[in-house]
Amino acid sequence: GESVGLHLPTLSVQEGDNSIINCAYSNSASDYFIWYKQESGKGPQFIIDIRSNMDKRQGQRVTVLLNKTVKHLSLQIAATQPGDSAVYFCAENNANAGKSTFGDGTTLTVKP
Amino acid sequence: ETGVTQTPRHLVMGMTNKKSLKCEQHLGHNAMYWYKQSAKKPLELMFVYNFKEQTENNSVPSRFSPECPNSSHLFLHLHTLQPEDSALYLCASSQEYRGVTGELFFGEGSRLTVL
Repeated sequence: GESVGLHLPTLSVQEGDNSIINCAYSNSASDYFIWYKQESGKGPQFIIDIRSNMDKRQGQRVTVLLNKTVKHLSLQIAATQPGDSAVYFCAENNANAGKSTFGDGTTLTVKP
Repeated sequence: ETGVTQTPRHLVMGMTNKKSLKCEQHLGHNAMYWYKQSAKKPLELMFVYNFKEQTENNSVPSRFSPECPNSSHLFLHLHTLQPEDSALYLCASSQEYRGVTGELFFGEGSRLTVL
């Protein structure tokens, strides 16, 4: 069956450092991947996405890398700030299936 | 108002009560979803509605009853719940069901506690 997993449940970094959050997925038919951020007391919010025909996509301070060979997805956050503290979820989407499958989430804590 | 709005934000109910969660989206989207978020578990899809027609029911117990009167509103009716149903219930919408991207827009959730 489908599963999307994150390698580490928690990650603690110093303010200003770069953060890397990893995700492994199992469905090779997935054609679209999304990273969501969920702050305490709020719902998940879209951060960045990548299609399966791409290897890398950059946003503002965030970069997503996709390695389809090993079914691995990562989110890189540059110059991590206290406001980045949240739970991060990866999700894989299969347009034919019409739904997203979510990973467990990684809790990022940024120390001042 | 913009985005996806959920009410109430917090709900405490006994196992014999009947209550409802409400979701409203102001994005003009065609698909709406209910997800359950429990501690240390991935988001679990419960129901999907596309153009107010139910397209998915992920083996959800009948004590949860969804209702979608139109594309902008979604309800989750609750009755005779169990303590293990305590969780954060998230409503989401997307531009289309089975869309190319599938980006979901979430509400802030309704925190449910069943005593």
